[in-house]
Amino acid sequence: SQQGEEDPQALSIQEGENATMNCSYKTSINNLQWYRQNSGRGLVHLILIRSNEREKHSGRLRVTLDTSKKSSSLLITASRAADTASYFCATDENYGQNFVFGPGTRLSVLP
Amino acid sequence: DAGVIQSPRHEVTEMGQEVTLRCKPISGHDYLFWYRQTMMRGLELLIYFNNNVPIDDSGMPEDRFSAKMPNASFSTLKIQPSEPRDSAVYFCASSAGHEQFFGPGTRLTVL
Repeated sequence: SQQGEEDPQALSIQEGENATMNCSYKTSINNLQWYRQNSGRGLVHLILIRSNEREKHSGRLRVTLDTSKKSSSLLITASRAADTASYFCATDENYGQNFVFGPGTRLSVLP
Repeated sequence: DAGVIQSPRHEVTEMGQEVTLRCKPISGHDYLFWYRQTMMRGLELLIYFNNNVPIDDSGMPEDRFSAKMPNASFSTLKIQPSEPRDSAVYFCASSAGHEQFFGPGTRLTVL
């Protein structure tokens, strides 16, 4: 089953702009994670937010979580060409150990 | 640490042949995951192990797929016989907590 659903599917912005990606999920969770995947590479963990947290920061990344709406957002500020990648949210469906990944958002940052 | 190691990186085979993908997780990690990624279906969890024991194999597509983890430092995913629809990138990931560390993947092409 696919738990997380990212939106939009694709996003194209200019370098220096902010990029916002959203994730919606269906069941109760303990944790939600965001990952990045550069073309032809494996996924890399960016940030984890727990269900009792509303917002978390890491460098230029800001993640929010709204458990009442079952949604999360990932904001990348002052984007760079190197941020061009696919971004996935992953949720621990029904509090399980395995995380279910959404289809991802393809971000293109144009120089 | 070298990270998660997968071999081969690329595999081209003919329909009906047996394919074996290999993974060496990060030392000390007690969870190992096998994923398959395609454009059509995204990232799918096939099976995961905890302390070398398969916990959930509900994502394994059919009996042609099998996975083993004979010890904490090695796992295999076998497809026998292979079919063109098995063409995908196969990722192995390991974890000691919630964050998963992905290998570079094996790109499998079945002709």
